[in-house]
Amino acid sequence: GQNIDQPTEMTATEGAIVQINCTYQTSGFNGLFWYQQHAGEAPTFLSYNVLDGLEEKGRFSSFLSRSKGYSYLLLKELQMKDSASYLCAAMDSNYQLIWGAGTKLIIKP
Amino acid sequence: DGGITQSPKYLFRKEGQNVTLSCEQNLNHDAMYWYRQDPGQGLRLIYYSQIVNDFQKGDIAEGYSVSREKKESFPLTVTSAQKNPTAFYLCASSTGTSGSDEQFFGPGTRLTVL
Repeated sequence: GQNIDQPTEMTATEGAIVQINCTYQTSGFNGLFWYQQHAGEAPTFLSYNVLDGLEEKGRFSSFLSRSKGYSYLLLKELQMKDSASYLCAAMDSNYQLIWGAGTKLIIKP
Repeated sequence: DGGITQSPKYLFRKEGQNVTLSCEQNLNHDAMYWYRQDPGQGLRLIYYSQIVNDFQKGDIAEGYSVSREKKESFPLTVTSAQKNPTAFYLCASSTGTSGSDEQFFGPGTRLTVL
């Protein structure tokens, strides 16, 4: 079957760095997405990886290893507004997104 | 401003009633999607449409129906056959269905069935 695993909740301190991991098993693979979702709001796109390696975008970076079925989202210089859920989603061979349950990130001052 | 709108943000209905959730986009996107989000679970695909007058069932289509008569609109009807309709419903759109096409989401409708 198809499956996405990510931690349910993580806590970090303002100004620090946090890494949110995601492992996936899909029928075929057409890329890995990360979205941010504040409570009660719509998910917003953060990153897309289809090739192995690290993609950097400001304070956020995303890494992919296709051979390991693994990705992570790295958030640097954490701010209180980064408190949100982070959703990992893998695109299968039918171009359908398989979503993880999300990682709730709590930032403490 | 381009974007996706969903209305209403909160909706209450009595058990046994059908209810229709609206989704409109002015992004000129071909593909549109309906997801359901429940606490502790990933988004689950209800229906999607890649082109006007065509749509496909997702993983949890039972008890739901959709139409795609216009490119801009993709309304979702939650019927009385849906056993557990209380949830947060999200509509999304994308330019197509190729790998890198990110999905843009509407603000969501929280449906509560009493």
